[in-house]
Amino acid sequence: EADIYQTPRYLVIGTGKKITLECSQTMGHDKMYWYQQDPGMELHLIHYSYGVNSTEKGDLSSESTVSRIRTEHFPLTLESARPSHTSQYLCASNGDNQPQHFGDGTRLSIL
Amino acid sequence: AQSVTQLDSHVSVSEGTPVLLRCNYSSSYSPSLFWYVQHPNKGLQLLLKYTSAATLVKGINGFEAEFKKSETSFHLTKPSAHMSDAAEYFCVVKNSGYALNFGKGTSLLVTP
Repeated sequence: EADIYQTPRYLVIGTGKKITLECSQTMGHDKMYWYQQDPGMELHLIHYSYGVNSTEKGDLSSESTVSRIRTEHFPLTLESARPSHTSQYLCASNGDNQPQHFGDGTRLSIL
Repeated sequence: AQSVTQLDSHVSVSEGTPVLLRCNYSSSYSPSLFWYVQHPNKGLQLLLKYTSAATLVKGINGFEAEFKKSETSFHLTKPSAHMSDAAEYFCVVKNSGYALNFGKGTSLLVTP
C-alpha cells in the first residue's frame, strides 16, 4: 500500500483567505501530481512535478500554485480563495513505469 | 490524444451476482489502461492495469478486465458482487509521458 498523505482532509473557509493543501509521500517518488475532482465527475490534472524544483501546469487551468522544494513534499496554494475553488483536490505520486498512487484527498469548501 | 468512455454512469447489481462495468477507449497506438476504485471520502485505489502483456488482467478483490483491441474495450468484471464493492469506478488511459485521462466514472450500487 502506497504511503501518500494529504492534510487537511476537510476545510471550510471564507472567501479571500490564503490556503495551503499539504501532500507528502514517503516512497521517494520523483513524480507527483495534483488533480481536481468535482462531485460525480472525472479527475482533471491541474499540476505535476517530475522532481525537485520542477513544476508544470496540467490540462485544467487553475488559479492555484505549487512548489517542490523537497522530493517528499508537494504543497498546493491558493492565494485568495473564492467559491469557485470549492472542490475535492487529490494528490498522487509514482515512480518510473509505475501506476499513480493517490492520497485520500482534501475536500475544500469556500464560503 | 487518447481517451476513455465509460458507457454506464450507474450500475446496480444484487449481492452475489456478476458485475460488468464497461469502458471503451480511443488510441492511435497500444495504450496503458487502468481501473481505479474510489470509496466514499477516499482517494483512488488501483484495481488493475494493462500494459500490453496478457490481455486478461487480474486485479485485487476478485476483479479482472479483458483488453479487446478489435472492440477497443477494457471492461471490468467480477463473478460475484459483495456489498463492499459499492463505490465509484474509473477507467483510465495513460497518454505518452505523464498524463492520465480519466473516464467520467461508474457508480456501482450493490443491493442485498
